[in-house]
Amino acid sequence: KAGVTQTPRYLIKTRGQQVTLSCSPISGHRSVSWYQQTPGQGLQFLFEYFSETQRNKGNFPGRFSGRQFSNSRSEMNVSTLELGDSALYLCASRSLAGKVHEQFFGPGTRLTVL
Amino acid sequence: DAKTTQPPSMDCAEGRAANLPCNHSTISGNEYVYWYRQIHSQGPQYIIHGLKNNETNEMASLIITEDRKSSTLILPHATLRDTAVYYCIVRVAVEWGTYKYIFGTGTRLKVLA
Repeated sequence: KAGVTQTPRYLIKTRGQQVTLSCSPISGHRSVSWYQQTPGQGLQFLFEYFSETQRNKGNFPGRFSGRQFSNSRSEMNVSTLELGDSALYLCASRSLAGKVHEQFFGPGTRLTVL
Repeated sequence: DAKTTQPPSMDCAEGRAANLPCNHSTISGNEYVYWYRQIHSQGPQYIIHGLKNNETNEMASLIITEDRKSSTLILPHATLRDTAVYYCIVRVAVEWGTYKYIFGTGTRLKVLA
């Protein structure tokens, strides 16, 4: 099975712009979660989607949003970018049957905000 | 918010057991503990998870204290490839059946030849 794929792998934006990141889960996985990783704050949970609905969320402002499509692919959007949004954004997928607790992570998208 | 506390770094001799502790004293009854590891800047890799009982799989063992305030991840025979940052994570209930994941700051394990 192919793993979780994320596009693009690298992105450079300027303050005030918006950005959309994409994640394709492992085939058959219906849940997709997003995480932010920075040197200062470490790994932080953004949100989880399944059945095209946001099911769980962390403590991020409304500038961070996401959506999930009927094929389980997910996008994450960050509006009005700030310098502090520079981070590695990781996507993870999991099955909703069987080994439901095991998340599989993608390689991440490294976002740099100038 | 719930919090997990981990030592920042540990060394372990190759072939010996690596015991990585995590304190999660604010965890409540139905909140899971997970362990993942991250090598360089790759995506984290699942290791094991538990709720109340000790767990073992092909990678590791997870020992959870009876009061659930702490846990220990055990890699029984550490190899050089186990050098990584190990994260202890708790899944905490928020409201209306929803939850969020709280990550510890990670323990950088170095396995020495």
